Order: sequence, then structure tokens, then C-alpha cells
Amino acid sequence: AQRVTQPEKLLSVFKGAPVELKCNYSYSGSPELFWYVQYSRQRLQLLLRHISRESIKGFTADLNKGETSFHLKKPFAQEEDSAMYYCALSYQGAQKLVFGQGTRLTINP
Amino acid sequence: NAGVTQTPKFQVLKTGQSMTLQCAQDMNHEYMSWYRQDPGMGLRLIHYSVGAGITDQGEVPNGYNVSRSTTEDFPLRLLSAAPSQTSVYFCASRGQGAGELFFGEGSRLTVL
Repeated sequence: AQRVTQPEKLLSVFKGAPVELKCNYSYSGSPELFWYVQYSRQRLQLLLRHISRESIKGFTADLNKGETSFHLKKPFAQEEDSAMYYCALSYQGAQKLVFGQGTRLTINP
Repeated sequence: NAGVTQTPKFQVLKTGQSMTLQCAQDMNHEYMSWYRQDPGMGLRLIHYSVGAGITDQGEVPNGYNVSRSTTEDFPLRLLSAAPSQTSVYFCASRGQGAGELFFGEGSRLTVL
């Protein structure tokens, strides 16, 4: 079955430190993977998707098919990065999107 | 441009009552979906629709009904509410393909 696992419910780092939010997936086909973010009092929104290979707000994520991972990274955390982050996998011809449990990231000043 | 609009934002029900969560989008998106968000469980897909007149079940469809009579609207019905349905519900839509999902602000439902 398709599954997305985010092993850390909570992650706390200091401003300026590197950040890595882990995401592992289980899917037998070719995955379409996303990171969504929910800032305080805002809607859930797309941060980035693996096929675009973009860097958004300093974040990058590389798909590693061998390790079935799609970890989100940023070299220098900023306070405004504090939010809830969800990794998601699209399957069944993009008709379904399964989310991980989410990681609440807190950036300490 | 309103995007995805959900109503109501908050609702308290008693066990056994019925209600409908409304969702409307003004982006002419074919795909619409409903998720519930529970602590420690992320978002789980309840039902989805790939176009007017077409709906299908997600991961957790039991206790919920949907219909899609127009492209714009995708209401979620609880026929007989149960405390296990206490959650935050999100409606989301997107255009063709595996593109970005646009979410509503969420509806917080409490069933006593």
C-alpha cells in the first residue's frame, strides 16, 4: 500500500542552523512527491514538488529512489520557517494524494 | 479571486445529527477532494471527484457522502455524526494532472 512516513513529529533548531525534515515513502510505481507547508493562521500550501527541482524559500528536496526518501533541507534556518510541514505522495494517475503525519518545525531565535 | 471557500468554519454537533460542509472553488478546477486532519495522523483523504457527476472514495470514506452536481461545488455530508468524526476538514482542488492542490481554510467540527 502507498504510505508516507515522517518520523519526526516535532523538530526544533536554532536560527541559522541547517534543517532537514525527513520523509520516506512506500510505492511500487514511479512516485510524484510534494512538500506542503502550513504557517500559523494560513492555509496549507504547496512548498515544492520533486519534478520541478526548484529551490523555494531556500528549501530543496531530492528524490532518492534507492532509499525511497524525499527529505526537505535548508542550509540556514530562519524564524519564519516555523510551520507544520507535510510530505505527500501522488498516485493512481494523480487521483489520490497521501500525506505523511506532518512535522512541526520550530526555529528558535 | 476567492480560491477555495469552505463553510462553516466552526460547527458543534450532537451525536446522530446530520450536517453538510460546503466547498466551492472559482478556479474552474476539475479535481476536488475532502481531507480530514487529526493530530498525529496527518491528512487523510475522505472522498474525491475528477469532474461533475463523478465521485470516488478515498482512505476513510465511511460515514461521509459527497456529490458533484457542478464543477464549482463539492459538499461533504455527515448523515449521522459520531464523536469519531470530530476533526478539522479541508477541501482542496486542482486542475488537470498532478499539479498543486489549493486548500480551503478548513472547517473545525466537534461532535459531542
